[in-house]
Amino acid sequence: EAQVTQNPRYLITVTGKKLTVTCSQNMNHEYMSWYRQDPGLGLRQIYYSMNVEVTDKGDVPEGYKVSRKEKRNFPLILESPSPNQTSLYFCASSLEARPGNTIYFGEGSWLTVV
Amino acid sequence: GQSLEQPSEVTAVEGAIVQINCTYQTSGFYGLSWYQQHDGGAPTFLSYNALDGLEETGRFSSFLSRSDSYGYLLLQELQMKDSASYFCAVTHREVYSSASKIIFGSGTRLSIRP
Repeated sequence: EAQVTQNPRYLITVTGKKLTVTCSQNMNHEYMSWYRQDPGLGLRQIYYSMNVEVTDKGDVPEGYKVSRKEKRNFPLILESPSPNQTSLYFCASSLEARPGNTIYFGEGSWLTVV
Repeated sequence: GQSLEQPSEVTAVEGAIVQINCTYQTSGFYGLSWYQQHDGGAPTFLSYNALDGLEETGRFSSFLSRSDSYGYLLLQELQMKDSASYFCAVTHREVYSSASKIIFGSGTRLSIRP
């Protein structure tokens, strides 16, 4: 089954404690991306990757890091989480960065930073 | 730069027809996509327009006018289960590189009344 898997789905953490949200896709997609979703703000792109070892900043990259060492994995790293990073996070992938290619989303990760 | 504009909220009556508009500004336009997201769920693909005109998929249709940088999603015979948020999306190509990223509008929350 084609899917994007992200973990953890739910996490409560404390300010400053490094955490990683993993993302894996099994569709051999080149394009992967992280979005955060906050009430009234829609989906805002954090980072994206067009292929292995190629990553670029999205619209809200501050406080986040990513890596793309393998095609299937695209982890999101919060080195020192802060309460303003409390949000719903989605990992997504598509064959290429073109609207004609369907974007597949993970089920989302609810992150609370206290 | 790039931007997408869509109404934040739309309310309609069960059985009626509703149109959700999206205007965009982006370089390297490939096409316009639409996604549906129910509360607590992940966005899922609805439709894609690469060329001008209307694309129909069951009760949902999507329209694109590239000359006007405008598109819309048309939902007919509305059902209560159509209550959700709807996002338009385009691909933006960076001016000085080959990097392309997928940008989402802020979403339109559709509420259906009995």
